[in-house]
Amino acid sequence: DTAVSQTPKYLVTQMGNDKSIKCEQNLGHDTMYWYKQDSKKFLKIMFSYNNKELIINETVPNRFSPKSPDKAHLNLHINSLELGDSAVYFCASSPRGRGGDEQFFGPGTRLTVL
Amino acid sequence: DAKTTQPNSMESNEEEPVHLPCNHSTISGTDYIHWYRQLPSQGPEYVIHGLTSNVNNRMASLAIAEDRKSSTLILHRATLRDAAVYYCILIVSNYGGSQGNLIFGKGTKLSVKP
Repeated sequence: DTAVSQTPKYLVTQMGNDKSIKCEQNLGHDTMYWYKQDSKKFLKIMFSYNNKELIINETVPNRFSPKSPDKAHLNLHINSLELGDSAVYFCASSPRGRGGDEQFFGPGTRLTVL
Repeated sequence: DAKTTQPNSMESNEEEPVHLPCNHSTISGTDYIHWYRQLPSQGPEYVIHGLTSNVNNRMASLAIAEDRKSSTLILHRATLRDAAVYYCILIVSNYGGSQGNLIFGKGTKLSVKP
């Protein structure tokens, strides 16, 4: 069983479109995250979500919005896609979001904006 | 979160031990030391973490300096599969605020020669 899964694995779309990436974890964890890895391979936290408390990285444009229908899912919606949004997006989860917790990462979604 | 300093790259021979250093001179008493690695085309993978004492698990060992200002990840017998980028990350131990967000640096790219 995959612990953290993401769909789709690849996403190619045009500028200006709206798209979503889904993430599911079957670990029973309370905290979920979205990270972005750009073309230079630099990984950066975008959001963390725990018990309906959302913490947003201030550098993330408001075109990006996480939505959590339940504790096991944290989807990422992106409006008005731009070329600079092309990257690999990773979802992750941890038991309680505390410093001693291990984070489990999904396989990533490669987004290409044309 | 406090910052860490790692060498950009290291090389090792297969079957030999590897010592990956990390400096974190501004670490606070509540910061955990985490190590993650990212294999090519995969999501980050947890390796090990510790607070004050040395730690061992099936993947690696973590040696923490007495003053906690540096640590070393030890791979006891490098294999070709260990070729990856290794990240040393500090995370505050208490819940709240950062929710355990991982702040990735550039990491150390480990190459393993057969």
